[in-house]
Amino acid sequence: EAQVTQNPRYLITVTGKKLTVTCSQNMNHEYMSWYRQDPGLGLRQIYYSMNVEVTDKGDVPEGYKVSRKEKRNFPLILESPSPNQTSLYFCASSAGATYNEQFFGPGTRLTVL
Amino acid sequence: AQKVTQAQTEISVVEKEDVTLDCVYETRDTTYYLFWYKQPPSGELVFLIRRNSFDEQNEISGRYSWNFQKSTSSFNFTITASQVVDSAVYFCALSLGGSEKLVFGKGTKLTVNP
Repeated sequence: EAQVTQNPRYLITVTGKKLTVTCSQNMNHEYMSWYRQDPGLGLRQIYYSMNVEVTDKGDVPEGYKVSRKEKRNFPLILESPSPNQTSLYFCASSAGATYNEQFFGPGTRLTVL
Repeated sequence: AQKVTQAQTEISVVEKEDVTLDCVYETRDTTYYLFWYKQPPSGELVFLIRRNSFDEQNEISGRYSWNFQKSTSSFNFTITASQVVDSAVYFCALSLGGSEKLVFGKGTKLTVNP
């Protein structure tokens, strides 16, 4: 089954404790992206990757890191999480962002205390 | 800069009513792509439709229809004879040709009451 998986689905952590949210897709998609969803703000793009070793900032990259060492994986790293990073995070992939629809993972609800 | 505005934050209708969700976009590019996604209460995001800037034909898929008008920079979504299962947050999104960025509107929460 074609899908995007994210882990963990739920995470409660404390300020400053480094964490990684994993994202994996099995569709051989070149493009992957991370979004955060906050009430009243919709979805905002954090980082995206057009292919292995190619990443770029979205609209809200501060406080986040990403890497793309393999085509299927695109982890989101929070080196020192803060409470304002409490949010619902979605990973997505597509064959190319410009004209193809994105397939979204199930979301990761992160709470930073 | 590109921008998507969904002016309706929340809409509530009674089952079987028709409802239109508005989407207005801003871009100076001539090549761009518009999308609608649905987020039901379970939380996942589901792709509904894609439209490119060179194709202004309206589209109908069952009870769903989309009206794309470049003259007013709008890409509105209509649900005919709404059902309770249509209750969700609906997002309109825009990407530019040659750009890998996708910009979402803030979403419209639709509640269909029985």
